[in-house]
Amino acid sequence: GENVEQHPSTLSVQEGDSAVIKCTYSDSASNYFPWYKQELGKRPQLIIDIRSNVGEKKDQRIAVTLNKTAKHFSLHITETQPEDSAVYFCAASNNAGNMLTFGGGTRLMVKP
Amino acid sequence: KAGVTQTPRYLIKTRGQQVTLSCSPISGHRSVSWYQQTPGQGLQFLFEYFSETQRNKGNFPGRFSGRQFSNSRSEMNVSTLELGDSALYLCASSTGHGLNSPLHFGNGTRLTVT
Repeated sequence: GENVEQHPSTLSVQEGDSAVIKCTYSDSASNYFPWYKQELGKRPQLIIDIRSNVGEKKDQRIAVTLNKTAKHFSLHITETQPEDSAVYFCAASNNAGNMLTFGGGTRLMVKP
Repeated sequence: KAGVTQTPRYLIKTRGQQVTLSCSPISGHRSVSWYQQTPGQGLQFLFEYFSETQRNKGNFPGRFSGRQFSNSRSEMNVSTLELGDSALYLCASSTGHGLNSPLHFGNGTRLTVT
């Protein structure tokens, strides 16, 4: 089955700096890659997603890049703010949509 | 629109008992999926229902089961509870037909097995 590895497990940055979280996947049939943000004690919320026919997608301070050949995708957050502090999960799903595998999560701490 | 609603928020059960969790999806969403979240294993997919049919299942034992009703509400049942079943159980709904579309999560049910 699919295996998704996420790094780093914890990331501490200064407010205003950029943060990058990387995920690798094993199943070449995976073609949908969402990112979820989970603040402490709250539900996960989708922040951005990308499909395999696109190499990059941006939404304000957040961007995701996908390298299908290397089977990895990354989340980029620019100009980080304290409210970006949360656990971020990457995930991968295949075209059939019959499995969704999450990475282990990254705890991002933005220090003011 | 109301979000995904899960009840109850907290449950404490004893080993060997069974438990039923409930999930009401966003109106119009026909796909409901369930996830187990633990500190050690992270977020793991349990199963997905669409139009009252289980379409997909993760790698969990048969003690974990579910169903979906005609109004898309879903229930998850865990029988013969084990200590390791203690977790936050999240359900999510989506407009898509499968797991390759955005998920809208509920707040979860925190199950503690003693």
